[in-house]
Amino acid sequence: QKEVEQNSGPLSVPEGAIASLNCTYSDRGSQSFFWYRQYSGKSPELIMSIYSNGDKEDGRFTAQLNKANQYVSLLIRDSQPSDSATYLCAVELTGGGNKLTFGTGTQLKVEL
Amino acid sequence: GAVVSQHPSWVICKSGTSVKIECRSLDFQATTMFWYRQFPKQSLMLMATSNEGSKATYEQGVEKDKFLINHASLTLSTLTVTSAHPEDSSFYICSASGTGGKVADTQYFGPGTRLTVL
Repeated sequence: QKEVEQNSGPLSVPEGAIASLNCTYSDRGSQSFFWYRQYSGKSPELIMSIYSNGDKEDGRFTAQLNKANQYVSLLIRDSQPSDSATYLCAVELTGGGNKLTFGTGTQLKVEL
Repeated sequence: GAVVSQHPSWVICKSGTSVKIECRSLDFQATTMFWYRQFPKQSLMLMATSNEGSKATYEQGVEKDKFLINHASLTLSTLTVTSAHPEDSSFYICSASGTGGKVADTQYFGPGTRLTVL
């Protein structure tokens, strides 16, 4: 089992819809979770971090964390074509010393 | 805030030569810097972690004598690819985190350096 798993996609959603991206992780002791967006040929850009169970909202983005079931998700409301990118889930594993373990990313395509 | 720069953004070199890549935190003190490599259509692969003033910690399988990392100050880390070969061609990305505020325990990425070895 991979430490951090994401569906590679592509996930296609129409413009204006809600995009839902999911990530599961294997280390039950993990405490820090991050979502990054990576456009093709560019480096990752931090979208959100989440540390506590529940929802965390920032603009059109909502991160959801469920430690009991070991998953973290990212919702993008009112999806725009500019949201088309690969979304990377990153988890700081127990004893990782601030190192992040990345999932392989989910490619999101927002269609007009 | 939390801006990280890299230089150069791209470099082409001949096989056998060495290439140095710089990573700078522009508006915060980076106590820890990370170096990643990313091949096309693959995820990020952590190469090493460096703390200011300490030797870098390399991930398993990464040759420390080939990928020399120096983190001499709180705003600068360098990665030198020694005796580069075509298989070293990749996208090299650094990230930095600091202490306090938004940079605490959060990695911010530089724009990356695309290395092509001929």
